[in-house]
Amino acid sequence: EDKVVQSPLSLVVHEGDTVTLNCSYEVTNFRSLLWYKQEKKAPTFLFMLTSSGIEKKSGRLSSILDKKELFSILNITATQTGDSAIYLCALVNSNSGYALNFGKGTSLLVTP
Amino acid sequence: GAVVSQHPSRVICKSGTSVKIECRSLDFQATTMFWYRQFPKQSLMLMATSNEGSKATYEQGVEKDKFLINHASLTLSTLTVTSAHPEDSSFYICSAHSGGSSTDTQYFGPGTRLTVL
Repeated sequence: EDKVVQSPLSLVVHEGDTVTLNCSYEVTNFRSLLWYKQEKKAPTFLFMLTSSGIEKKSGRLSSILDKKELFSILNITATQTGDSAIYLCALVNSNSGYALNFGKGTSLLVTP
Repeated sequence: GAVVSQHPSRVICKSGTSVKIECRSLDFQATTMFWYRQFPKQSLMLMATSNEGSKATYEQGVEKDKFLINHASLTLSTLTVTSAHPEDSSFYICSAHSGGSSTDTQYFGPGTRLTVL
């Protein structure tokens, strides 16, 4: 059975700090790994990763995948209160169409 | 990114009634739509995969006769919770995939909060 494990489950930091969120996985047939940000409603897409070692970057957020060690990290630099959210990591198994298998998420709170 | 809408955003119903939730892709054609549910402080759990013009594929433990899914067009999928009970109260979220093998990105609707009294 495929697994997606995120850590930490929750995190509190001060504005300006840098955070690293972790996602490790087990999958029979890896296709891609995606990161989403969920505030009060539905998740919004951040990154899709398919290849090892290639960093994806968007503003203060970046993410990278290690397919040998089976994990991905999401970095947020110079955090702001607006970054407070649940960050979800999801896996796509080639055998499951495009269905997303989500981890439990990391709840991030950025305090002023 | 692509826009997916859901309607209604919030519904309260009596036990035993049926509730229909609509999911629409507004600016793209969605060959595949997914339905998830999310309980408080938990992650999204896939309920079913819906392909346009064919029967939905349900995840293990999800009753297909209770959660009826119709994907009648490339822009609309509906989820009907039949004979709803309080334990069906949850946050239901749909997502849409535009098709093609170049991306696995799904775009999510804003969700529907269902409360069954």
